[in-house]
Amino acid sequence: DGGITQSPKYLFRKEGQNVTLSCEQNLNHDAMYWYRQDPGQGLRLIYYSQIVNDFQKGDIAEGYSVSREKKESFPLTVTSAQKNPTAFYLCASSLTGTGGRKAFFGQGTRLTVV
Amino acid sequence: KNEVEQSPQNLTAQEGEFITINCSYSVGISALHWLQQHPGGGIVSLFMLSSGKKKHGRLIATINIQEKHSSLHITASHPRDSAVYICAAFGLEYGNKLVFGAGTILRVKS
Repeated sequence: DGGITQSPKYLFRKEGQNVTLSCEQNLNHDAMYWYRQDPGQGLRLIYYSQIVNDFQKGDIAEGYSVSREKKESFPLTVTSAQKNPTAFYLCASSLTGTGGRKAFFGQGTRLTVV
Repeated sequence: KNEVEQSPQNLTAQEGEFITINCSYSVGISALHWLQQHPGGGIVSLFMLSSGKKKHGRLIATINIQEKHSSLHITASHPRDSAVYICAAFGLEYGNKLVFGAGTILRVKS
């Protein structure tokens, strides 16, 4: 079955370390997205990519980096420049041209920085 | 002000009650998603709507395109329905990206 996989589900890192969150999809989706959720707040867009080798900043891109070398993969790196990295991170993907009707969501990764 | 508004922000219900969660958006959209997030857990996709109404078990989702409004209903609520319910809108006027509501925290007491 096709789907979108985020790993790991829970991640702990020491302050000052970079950490990379994985997002893989086998749905042949062109567009992939990364969102961040803080307690009591809605999900906010970090980065998105609508085609391989291209990506755009979302609303809260500072302290994050991404790459889109393959259609299936859109890893997110939380760098040491991100001041408050502890949060829930959600990856999503969609098939362009379907108006969002083919949007799938990962299970999410809960990152805790200690 | 969020482009996608949900209400109420918090909701406590007794087991068996009928529950309604509302979602309003500000521009024309092509799809509206309802998601469920259990405490400490991941995200589960419940519904995708572009028009009309969908039903799955005790869950019903409706959308009124003209009024730019969607509702999620839970019939015969149960404590296991306790979760955060999130709506997300997708459309050209949102830059072909998903825009999420802040979520509704639902607690169903037995």
